[in-house]
Amino acid sequence: KAGVTQTPRYLIKTRGQQVTLSCSPISGHRSVSWYQQTPGQGLQFLFEYFSETQRNKGNFPGRFSGRQFSNSRSEMNVSTLELGDSALYLCASSFGTASYEQYFGPGTRLTVT
Amino acid sequence: KQEVTQIPAALSVPEGENLVLNCSFTDSAIYNLQWFRQDPGKGLTSLLLIQSSQREQTSGRLNASLDKSSGRSTLYIAASQPGDSATYLCATEVTTRGGSEKLVFGKGTKLTVNP
Repeated sequence: KAGVTQTPRYLIKTRGQQVTLSCSPISGHRSVSWYQQTPGQGLQFLFEYFSETQRNKGNFPGRFSGRQFSNSRSEMNVSTLELGDSALYLCASSFGTASYEQYFGPGTRLTVT
Repeated sequence: KQEVTQIPAALSVPEGENLVLNCSFTDSAIYNLQWFRQDPGKGLTSLLLIQSSQREQTSGRLNASLDKSSGRSTLYIAASQPGDSATYLCATEVTTRGGSEKLVFGKGTKLTVNP
C-alpha cells in the first residue's frame, strides 16, 4: 500500500511570494496533519484536517492556511513568505481518531531567500 | 501545556552496544506515545506506538516502555548497528482545545553508531 506522498520535495522562493504544498494521505486515512520542522524549534504542529474540516490549528500566523479535499488530499499555503519560513514541512495521515498511528510523508524542503 | 524532553541530545556508541534513549513528558493525560526515526533530510518513520494503557512494545531489536505516572518513556536498542544511526524522536498524542488530537514532539536524540 502506498505511503504518504508530498509534492514538491524541494522549493526555493523569495521573500514576499506565496507557496502551496500538497500532501496525499494513505488510502483510507481521513486525517491529515501538517508540521513545520526547523533546527531551532524542532517539530511544531500547524493544523489538522479531517473530512475536509480543520479540527485544530497550531500557534502560527494567519499567513499559514490549508484545506482538504473530498479525496482527503490536503494542501497547505503560505503567503507573504518570510526568511523564517524556511523549514521542512511534513504531513502525516491517520484514520483520524485518538490512538491511531500517524504516518509521515518525506516532507517538502522550503527555502526562502 | 505538554512539554516533551529528550536527553541526551546526541549519543555516540560503538557498534554492538546496547543503548537506551530517554523521553520525558510533563502531562500524563496522553492517548499514546510514539517513537520515530528520522534520517538526515528525510521524513519520519514510525518505530513503535505504545497506547496509554500499555507498558511496553517490542519490534525486533527495539523495545519501548511507558510509565505514565512518572512521565517517562525509554527506547531500548539492542546490539546497535551503524545503520541505526539517525535522529530518534518521541511524541505524545494529546487532545487539543478543538477536541482533536495532535502530536507533541521532543527535539530528538541524534544517535551515531560507530563501526
